[in-house]
Amino acid sequence: GNSVTQMEGPVTLSEEAFLTINCTYTATGYPSLFWYVQYPGEGLQLLLKATKADDKGSNKGFEATYRKETTSFHLEKGSVQVSDSAVYFCALSDLGGGGNKLTFGTGTQLKVEL
Amino acid sequence: EPEVTQTPSHQVTQMGQEVILRCVPISNHLYFYWYRQILGQKVEFLVSFYNNEISEKSEIFDDQFSVERPDGSNFTLKIRSTKLEDSAMYFCASSGQGHEQFFGPGTRLTVL
Repeated sequence: GNSVTQMEGPVTLSEEAFLTINCTYTATGYPSLFWYVQYPGEGLQLLLKATKADDKGSNKGFEATYRKETTSFHLEKGSVQVSDSAVYFCALSDLGGGGNKLTFGTGTQLKVEL
Repeated sequence: EPEVTQTPSHQVTQMGQEVILRCVPISNHLYFYWYRQILGQKVEFLVSFYNNEISEKSEIFDDQFSVERPDGSNFTLKIRSTKLEDSAMYFCASSGQGHEQFFGPGTRLTVL
């Protein structure tokens, strides 16, 4: 079955540091890949997505590239801010089975300090 | 901006009791989902719903669970007889033709 593995947190960085959160996946077929973010007390928000190999998703300074050869979708940001502190979830969607359920990783908590 | 809403934000119940978690999806969306997250664990898919019927469900979604869209705006998840292990955060999501899922803020269910 499908699965997503992402690095464990928490990840603690200083403001303006470079961020990488690793994500790898296992899937049959050709899934779409997503990063969701959850700010404290809120629901999951879509941060970015990529629907096919070599696509790069980007939003709010974050980016991730769909790498089929390494089955990875690592999240990066060049310079993090305190406001980026949140939990980040990598997910995949496989359009089989009559729906497009999301399979999530465990989430990585990011803490950005001044 | 339209959003998915969920009520209540926190529900406490006794083991064996029935609970109904409520969601109001985005109004023109066609696909509806429930997910749950046990504390410290992954967000897990429970069920998807389209055209007034379940389109897919996971192993977790056994006979104790049911979903309903009673009035064209609400989407509910019922747990018939709660167990301690049902304690989790439950997220509702909806999507339109584009299949991007929009999530609600979640209901924290605590079973005592």
